[in-house]
Amino acid sequence: GNSVTQMEGPVTLSEEAFLTINCTYTATGYPSLFWYVQYPGEGLQLLLKATKADDKGSNKGFEATYRKETTSFHLEKGSVQVSDSAVYFCALSFNTDKLIFGTGTRLQVFP
Amino acid sequence: DTAVSQTPKYLVTQMGNDKSIKCEQNLGHDTMYWYKQDSKKFLKIMFSYNNKELIINETVPNRFSPKSPDKAHLNLHINSLELGDSAVYFCASSLGTAHNYGYTFGSGTRLTVV
Repeated sequence: GNSVTQMEGPVTLSEEAFLTINCTYTATGYPSLFWYVQYPGEGLQLLLKATKADDKGSNKGFEATYRKETTSFHLEKGSVQVSDSAVYFCALSFNTDKLIFGTGTRLQVFP
Repeated sequence: DTAVSQTPKYLVTQMGNDKSIKCEQNLGHDTMYWYKQDSKKFLKIMFSYNNKELIINETVPNRFSPKSPDKAHLNLHINSLELGDSAVYFCASSLGTAHNYGYTFGSGTRLTVV
């Protein structure tokens, strides 16, 4: 079936470090791909998305590129801040209303 | 203005009770959803409604019953609560399909069954 696999966390970084959170997917066909962020005690917020191969989604300094050949959608940021500490979810969707989420990766950024 | 609002934010109740969680969105979206997030943060869809019509009904115990009085509201009623129902329940909405637009989530309802 369709699924999303994310790297296990927590990812622990110092402020201004480079961030990569890996996400790969298994799907029959070409889904849309998403990254959501969940800050403590809050709901998920859409961070960025890409709807077709080679698309790059970007927002707030975060980027992810839809790589069909490696079935990946890795999240990157050049310089993280303490305020980026949160849980990050990768997700996919086909031409339906259902989003399939990965298990989430907790990011902890220390000053 | 809160886009997707859920009430209550916290709900502590005893096993066997019946409880409801309410959700309202003011975004004019056509589709609304309920997701369950377990203690390990795993998110799984439960239901979706499009213009008051049930679209997705995953393998959820029939103790869970969604109700959509209009396209801006999707409530979740749970009968005979069990310990395993303890989780955070998220309401969400989307404009068109999630495929193109993703979701807007509410802030969640933390249900604790004791």
